[in-house]
Amino acid sequence: QITLKESGPTLVKPKQTLTLTCTFSGFSLTTGGVGVGWIRQPPGKALEWLALIYWDDDEWYSPSLKSRLTITKDTSKNQVVLTVTNMDPVDTATYYCAHELSTGIYFDYWGQGTLVTVSS
Amino acid sequence: QSVLTQPPSVSGAPGQRVTISCTGSFSNIGANYDVHWYQQLPGTAPKLLIYGNINRPSGVPDRFSGSKSGTSASLAITGLQAEDEADYYCQSYDSSLSGVVFGGGTKLTVL
Repeated sequence: QITLKESGPTLVKPKQTLTLTCTFSGFSLTTGGVGVGWIRQPPGKALEWLALIYWDDDEWYSPSLKSRLTITKDTSKNQVVLTVTNMDPVDTATYYCAHELSTGIYFDYWGQGTLVTVSS
Repeated sequence: QSVLTQPPSVSGAPGQRVTISCTGSFSNIGANYDVHWYQQLPGTAPKLLIYGNINRPSGVPDRFSGSKSGTSASLAITGLQAEDEADYYCQSYDSSLSGVVFGGGTKLTVL
């Protein structure tokens, strides 16, 4: 079955760069149509899509955060990495990674999420 | 301000029917991009509830149904149960933004 799990620091300081890793199983990012995305959710607030990477290396980014985001994949390790530069307290959120099929552009399997707090 | 607009909250008594609207524009729902719905129980990750406007993943009860018309979509829940109390989010694609967009979420309270 498909599973995803996020990992990374729980606390970062303002202006630092956040690096999160999504480790998945049950599918391959070399299979046509497959993608992995990142979505975040500040405490008590709505979901916000951040980035997507597909099997063919196509990368999509949220326009409002594009300058600060980088998404990469390591197919040999079944991992997708998201980096967010210049972190700010408003970036405090639970960060989720999720499996996506480009046929529909929706997320059918989600990780449990990881809470990242930005504070000095 | 979310690209897709949902009511902040809806409520209903057990057994009743409730609907949650999701209003977009001509660059997303109105451009014929599919709408998808997620259920987020307290303290858990979102779960896919409806995909492709009307389709239920395996295991989702048929009490949940989706529809779409023009620049809007709706999620209907019939035979409301206490376990349905959760946040619900709609999601689509926006061609102007060239990316995925979510609604602001709707909190369902079962009275």
